[in-house]
Amino acid sequence: SQTIHQWPATLVQPVGSPLSLECTVEGTSNPNLYWYRQAAGRGLQLLFYSVGIGQISSEVPQNLSASRPQDRQFILSSKKLLLSDSGFYLCAWRDLYEQYFGPGTRLTVT
Amino acid sequence: DAKTTQPTSMDCAEGRAANLPCNHSTISGNEYVYWYRQIHSQGPQYIIHGLKNNETNEMASLIITEDRKSSTLILPHATLRDTAVYYCIVTGGSQGNLIFGKGTKLSVKP
Repeated sequence: SQTIHQWPATLVQPVGSPLSLECTVEGTSNPNLYWYRQAAGRGLQLLFYSVGIGQISSEVPQNLSASRPQDRQFILSSKKLLLSDSGFYLCAWRDLYEQYFGPGTRLTVT
Repeated sequence: DAKTTQPTSMDCAEGRAANLPCNHSTISGNEYVYWYRQIHSQGPQYIIHGLKNNETNEMASLIITEDRKSSTLILPHATLRDTAVYYCIVTGGSQGNLIFGKGTKLSVKP
């Protein structure tokens, strides 16, 4: 069966510090991968998606970036965090019709 | 992707059927209707999807009107654990990204 992992589960970082969130998927190959963010009290915002290694599409311009160095690994990064980057970050993968979400990382920028 | 309209919130008594409406009047012929739900502090969970026929699975039923401009998600016997935000999404099947709106906050009460 397929499993999706995200870490860390929670993170508190100061403004201006770098960020790296990792997502890995098991049990499937060449999945479509997604990063979403949910700010407090708001809906999910699609940030990036990837259809293959090295292929990244950005949905919202901002100070975040994404990379896919391996087939089942998706990384979300920032060089300098802003207060507005706080939120719940979710990674997801998709098979033919269904999308499956990871447990999420709750990021607080102080 | 087409836009959807859902009520902001609904209440349902435990054991009763919960009927969650969704309007998607601009849906195009090749777009599917998807339903996801998000329990507090967790990632969204896939519930069901359909193109034009009614669908049923172990979680819910999806009723799509003949003109496909609206649909209803039915939870036949709501339990307290069904309390969540329910998202209706219209997207182009396996090629479309999921764009989440604000959803309907369903509260199941004893």
